[in-house]
Amino acid sequence: TAGITQAPTSQILAAGRSMTLRCTQDMRHNAMYWYRQDLGLGLRLIHYSNTAGTTGKGEVPDGYSVSRANTDDFPLTLASAVPSQTSVYFCASSASGESTGELFFGEGSRLTVL
Amino acid sequence: GQNIDQPTEMTATEGAIVQINCTYQTSGFNGLFWYQQHAGEAPTFLSYNVLDGLEEKGRFSSFLSRSKGYSYLLLKELQMKDSASYLCALTDSNYQLIWGAGTKLIIKP
Repeated sequence: TAGITQAPTSQILAAGRSMTLRCTQDMRHNAMYWYRQDLGLGLRLIHYSNTAGTTGKGEVPDGYSVSRANTDDFPLTLASAVPSQTSVYFCASSASGESTGELFFGEGSRLTVL
Repeated sequence: GQNIDQPTEMTATEGAIVQINCTYQTSGFNGLFWYQQHAGEAPTFLSYNVLDGLEEKGRFSSFLSRSKGYSYLLLKELQMKDSASYLCALTDSNYQLIWGAGTKLIIKP
């Protein structure tokens, strides 16, 4: 069972360039999330989607955008990368919402912006 | 404000018992999660507590006291594979999930 697949696994990106992190799930979960994880900090929510066709802003949405055209895919786009966006990005999904149900995470995408 | 505190790092011996504490201050409370995260890997779900008391699941148990704003994760019969970070997360009154920074657990032979 694949669960959640993220791509790329890692990427080095020049500042000012754009980048899309891909996330696909095969569990038919309604809710999907993008987090960033930085050393010494808890996971921080960037954007979320409660169901296909809807998205919402999390704690740290600036500089990021998402779309949810269908149930399975939830790409995260950095329009013009900055060094402060260097982080590990995790995509996650849940059947019943992050606040009451188990989250299933992808393996992460390590992004370095130079 | 909202705050979750966990120790940054703990060390324990293989075969022993360790307790990882999580204290919190939030505007309301609707449940507390524990996740395990091995280095370089994704977090995986361990437990979810809504009511006070102890929830046991094999070698792992999670305790919650809502009146004290306190939870702990108890790991028994420690194995080397238990070396990981343990993340505490809770749901506040707005049903937002708030994450602690995690506790890195080092198991020594």
